[in-house]
Amino acid sequence: QKEVEQNSGPLSVPEGAIASLNCTYSDRVSQSFFWYRQYSGKSPELIMSIYSNGDKEDGRFTAQLNKASQYVSLLIRDSQPSDSATYLCAVKLGLTGGGNKLTFGTGTQLKVEL
Amino acid sequence: EPEVTQTPSHQVTQMGQEVILRCVPISNHLYFYWYRQILGQKVEFLVSFYNNEISEKSEIFDDQFSVERPDGSNFTLKIRSTKLEDSAMYFCASSLTSGRAVLSYNEQFFGPGTRLTVL
Repeated sequence: QKEVEQNSGPLSVPEGAIASLNCTYSDRVSQSFFWYRQYSGKSPELIMSIYSNGDKEDGRFTAQLNKASQYVSLLIRDSQPSDSATYLCAVKLGLTGGGNKLTFGTGTQLKVEL
Repeated sequence: EPEVTQTPSHQVTQMGQEVILRCVPISNHLYFYWYRQILGQKVEFLVSFYNNEISEKSEIFDDQFSVERPDGSNFTLKIRSTKLEDSAMYFCASSLTSGRAVLSYNEQFFGPGTRLTVL
């Protein structure tokens, strides 16, 4: 059973539009949620973290968390061609018993078109 | 801005040979990790390391793998006898801490990776 699920895409949006990326997770005790951006051939780059229900905004990025639905999302406003990348959802399963490892989804490829 | 560094960027080796991948975590970070990503697949956890010992490891991290912090700055991953299926990108990451204290301290920052090719 997969622990972190993402639609692999590609998700295509026009420049200037809002991109919406979604992630679901299976372990209800998960406490910490992260979005990483990964350009092709590069390493994951942390862009957002979220720990409590609701929205968290940072510039053009908004992370949304709904623990009851086991759902986390990332909105990218005013999408730019430079946002074209694979977005990885990562979950820290548990706070103590789950240790400190991150469990990643397969990522959603985002393409921002001119 | 401090960052995690890794060497080499690319390592080519013959099956059965030993390789050592090197990482320099962010200087004030206390937790260190290795992850790997096989081409086209997701990032997978290998091992975490704290206070000079392994704190957690995955099923992938078998007896062929070992980690070490040989001095105050380097963190290494050794693969004793490489297999074809070990070919992957290996990422080192570090975090300031892990746990409830200050949540943002859990954030893990990744190095640029070492591409390991086993022939």
